[in-house]
Amino acid sequence: GAGVSQSPSNKVTEKGKDVELRCDPISGHTALYWYRQRLGQGLEFLIYFQGNSAPDKSGLPSDRFSAERTGESVSTLTIQRTQQEDSAVYLCASSLDRVTGELFFGEGSRLTVL
Amino acid sequence: AQSVTQLGSHVSVSEGALVLLRCNYSSSVPPYLFWYVQYPNQGLQLLLKYTTGATLVKGINGFEAEFKKSETSFHLTKPSAHMSDAAEYFCAVTPSGNTPLVFGKGTRLSVIA
Repeated sequence: GAGVSQSPSNKVTEKGKDVELRCDPISGHTALYWYRQRLGQGLEFLIYFQGNSAPDKSGLPSDRFSAERTGESVSTLTIQRTQQEDSAVYLCASSLDRVTGELFFGEGSRLTVL
Repeated sequence: AQSVTQLGSHVSVSEGALVLLRCNYSSSVPPYLFWYVQYPNQGLQLLLKYTTGATLVKGINGFEAEFKKSETSFHLTKPSAHMSDAAEYFCAVTPSGNTPLVFGKGTRLSVIA
């Protein structure tokens, strides 16, 4: 497809389990972002990848959260030992031109931790 | 640090009425400003943006916004609401394109027939 693709669209897990969320950005987009959207809240920045530069991890809420991206391709966000407060929609976005800041978002992965 | 405040988590207007969604920001430098829209069961998409130049910017679907530096505002307007405008609207700011966008909490717009 031509847009940003995220999987799974929905994930229900038990507290303490690890989860992996996947993002496939638009081809040719060098920048990739992960945001978290909790119910009734705005989008919370998590991590930012730009080409081969070191990622900006300043938004990761704890060391249970990590993300990887190989080159300009797929990214995975991993949450270890999930907690109930991790329940949220995790949004991925990619950008061709980081200067103007226009982001193209996927539909998100809804995570529910029981 | 940058921040965005959207006044009103929920706004309801009648079809054909003026739409006004408020956004105020704080930024230590002249910002880039954005409005994104999220229709039900869809991802966020860019509605309009201000980077430099003309302070009144026009976006898709008849929306526009005006950057007012003295008021640190970037309110979104549309002269006549349509039922299809019902969605969640997010204002966002960045001091430059090199840093991630900071989003407001969003305003849900309902349009009443």
